[in-house]
Amino acid sequence: GAGVSQSPRYKVAKRGQDVALRCDPISGHVSLFWYQQALGQGPEFLTYFQNEAQLDKSGLPSDRFFAERPEGSVSTLKIQRTQQEDSAVYLCATQKGGVWETQYFGPGTRLLVL
Amino acid sequence: SQQGEEDPQALSIQEGENATMNCSYKTSINNLQWYRQNSGRGLVHLILIRSNEREKHSGRLRVTLDTSKKSSSLLITASRAADTASYFCATDDYGGSQGNLIFGKGTKLSVKP
Repeated sequence: GAGVSQSPRYKVAKRGQDVALRCDPISGHVSLFWYQQALGQGPEFLTYFQNEAQLDKSGLPSDRFFAERPEGSVSTLKIQRTQQEDSAVYLCATQKGGVWETQYFGPGTRLLVL
Repeated sequence: SQQGEEDPQALSIQEGENATMNCSYKTSINNLQWYRQNSGRGLVHLILIRSNEREKHSGRLRVTLDTSKKSSSLLITASRAADTASYFCATDDYGGSQGNLIFGKGTKLSVKP
């Protein structure tokens, strides 16, 4: 595809509800990153995949957060039992190959937990 | 935690003027990138400068990097109303092997027509 796409673009969830956020990477991009961006802040790293392998999940804030990329392409970030502090924009970024290169970001999913 | 810190936090200028934003960071880097984010949208990559480069140009953008001072600047010349956005610098996690980016809090630029 032409760029990274994410769905849904907006999600309103009641506290305690589970949500799933989807990322469709640029075709052929090996690396995929998830970031969380709170209002007025810069994005913060959550987790990283190289193909289907999750190589780093050190940024996930709690065990309620889970990410997968089973076939090395589409990725899903799942948040269980959402809390108000989970409200943020969730950004997906992909990178063609190895590290230290440009990351291309999707438009993000804005999650609001009431 | 965030490594980079942009300065100023907010900048308001008239169309046609130049805008300069600065970024400071804490640890060694392989490269530094600048991104733009329009309200409610994703990040658009502007320019990447490697640690062995001192200056880079792209259209109306000029980026400098001073690794001895751990700082970078982004200059936008002849600004336009469409340049109104938040600008972030991002560095790689030098000590790590994964290449995830570490962002600052951003500079909010407003260009008035």
